[in-house]
Amino acid sequence: GAGVSQSPRYKVAKRGQDVALRCDPISGHVSLFWYQQALGQGPEFLTYFQNEAQLDKSGLPSDRFFAERPEGSVSTLKIQRTQQEDSAVYLCASSLHGGYYSGNTIYFGEGSWLTVV
Amino acid sequence: AQKITQTQPGMFVQEKEAVTLDCTYDTSDPSYGLFWYKQPSSGEMIFLIYQGSYDQQNATEGRYSLNFQKARKSANLVISASQLGDSAMYFCAMREAEAGNKLTFGGGTRVLVKP
Repeated sequence: GAGVSQSPRYKVAKRGQDVALRCDPISGHVSLFWYQQALGQGPEFLTYFQNEAQLDKSGLPSDRFFAERPEGSVSTLKIQRTQQEDSAVYLCASSLHGGYYSGNTIYFGEGSWLTVV
Repeated sequence: AQKITQTQPGMFVQEKEAVTLDCTYDTSDPSYGLFWYKQPSSGEMIFLIYQGSYDQQNATEGRYSLNFQKARKSANLVISASQLGDSAMYFCAMREAEAGNKLTFGGGTRVLVKP
């Protein structure tokens, strides 16, 4: 498809279980972002890739969160030993350019809705 | 301090009327961009409109316009001729040159269009 694709769309995990969320960015997009959105709040930045390089992971809440983009296209966000506070929508986004360019539009996927029980 | 503030948690608007959604921002970076996104119940963040800090004119995209008041650090979104499909959450976001490529979002405003 032409947009950012995320899978799974919905995931229910038992506390302590590991989960992996996949993101297929728009073809040719250099930049890829992961955001976490709690219910009723705005998205919070987690991490940013420029091609395969993870340039910013300042938003990852703990060392249980790990992201990779090994070939500069598809990315996976992995959450180890999930906790109830990890329940949120995880949004992936991509943009054409790398680096700062103010008009560089960021396009989002529909998100992966994670519920930890 | 909050980088992006949206003071209206929810709003009702009559179909076919205009609505203004408030957004104020805080930055000392002279180079930045402001964005508005729409998030329907499906969850996808849909890009609506962009305004750069050096742009002289207010941005417009169809029924969306951005009322950019740089000195007041506000970037309000105006939706004209509201439609039922405009019912959604609306988020204001900012990208700063010093912060790299990432967006910082406000808390959002929920809009409900009444027939």
